[in-house]
Amino acid sequence: DQQVKQNSPSLSVQEGRISILNCDYTNSMFDYFLWYKKYPAEGPTFLISISSIKDKNEDGRFTVFLNKSAKHLSLHIVPSQPGDSAVYFCAANQAGTALIFGKGTTLSVSS
Amino acid sequence: DAGITQSPRYKITETGRQVTLMCHQTWSHSYMFWYRQDLGHGLRLIYYSAAADITDKGEVPDGYVVSRSKTENFPLTLESATRSQTSVYFCASSAGAGTYEQYFGPGTRLTVT
Repeated sequence: DQQVKQNSPSLSVQEGRISILNCDYTNSMFDYFLWYKKYPAEGPTFLISISSIKDKNEDGRFTVFLNKSAKHLSLHIVPSQPGDSAVYFCAANQAGTALIFGKGTTLSVSS
Repeated sequence: DAGITQSPRYKITETGRQVTLMCHQTWSHSYMFWYRQDLGHGLRLIYYSAAADITDKGEVPDGYVVSRSKTENFPLTLESATRSQTSVYFCASSAGAGTYEQYFGPGTRLTVT
């Protein structure tokens, strides 16, 4: 059973607008959550993370929100830029070892 | 300072052949990981290693063998390749269990015919 779910395979947004990518999880033991970004023919790169003791973490244009009661996190990108077009993976961690990834959401930002 | 590298970047092999994918990191990270990426499945963990000579299975280990005799290298071997192992393989490393960020290599695209 999938423990980390990204239910939207794709998202299209206009340049300058907000992009919101969503992620749900089922395991309440997860204590750390991360977002990775992946361009074609490259490996994923770390974007932003959040600990389960926080509900928000911000880094420039990127903000991650965590709602533990709903087992839901979201990544907000404001403003969106064409260079943000990529696949975004949500990942969760328990006991500090292996990450569990969602299936990814492909973001397309049009100019 | 290449960070983490994978070789080959592309490989075509036949069913039943043995093939080894190489992974090398220059950070002296203690943890290393192998993932495969398939359409509709995202990234799935095959094996990981907490240190030299310590390895453990991930979600999809069947058909794969790993070894880690040196901290910087973590090869992945497909003992008898099958078409279902056609995929993009990513190696990753991290500094330790307390450091959650993993750094990924560029990937190896493997096709089994």
